[in-house]
Amino acid sequence: GNSVTQMEGPVTLSEEAFLTINCTYTATGYPSLFWYVQYPGEGLQLLLKATKADDKGSNKGFEATYRKETTSFHLEKGSVQVSDSAVYFCALTASGGSYIPTFGRGTSLIVHP
Amino acid sequence: SQTIHQWPATLVQPVGSPLSLECTVEGTSNPNLYWYRQAAGRGLQLLFYSVGIGQISSEVPQNLSASRPQDRQFILSSKKLLLSDSGFYLCAWSRPPGTGNTIYFGEGSWLTVV
Repeated sequence: GNSVTQMEGPVTLSEEAFLTINCTYTATGYPSLFWYVQYPGEGLQLLLKATKADDKGSNKGFEATYRKETTSFHLEKGSVQVSDSAVYFCALTASGGSYIPTFGRGTSLIVHP
Repeated sequence: SQTIHQWPATLVQPVGSPLSLECTVEGTSNPNLYWYRQAAGRGLQLLFYSVGIGQISSEVPQNLSASRPQDRQFILSSKKLLLSDSGFYLCAWSRPPGTGNTIYFGEGSWLTVV
């Protein structure tokens, strides 16, 4: 079956540091890949997505590149802010068969001033 | 544009009491609908999903149930709540397969069973 593996958190950074949150996946075919962000007490918001190999999704200074050769979709940001503190979820939906999304367990990011 | 709303946002219920959480989607038709639970520890657990009116699939056996009485309405219910039902419940929707597969979430409902 499909699966998504994210790095364990929490990830603790100082403001303006570089962020990488690793995500790797297992899926048949050509899945679509997503990053969601969840701020405290809120629902999940779509942050960015990529639907085919080598696509780069980007939003709010975050970006992730769909790497089929390494089955990865790592989230990066060049300079984090305190307001980026949240939980980040990597997810996929398969190209065929089950359309049910598969989520990683989430990675908590804490940014200190 | 499409919107999703769920309510109530927070509720505190005694053990053994009933539960009803409601979710509606606007601006689209025939969506796929989902109920997730997020307990402490952040992971998402898929509880139910629906591809059409009256069509409910359960992912986890429990004392919760779901119904879809209208195309864009999804209800999560329980006849008797347990302490272990406490958590953050999220409704979500996506377009039917083949027409775009991004999933969108509601604001969430905090349930505390006391």
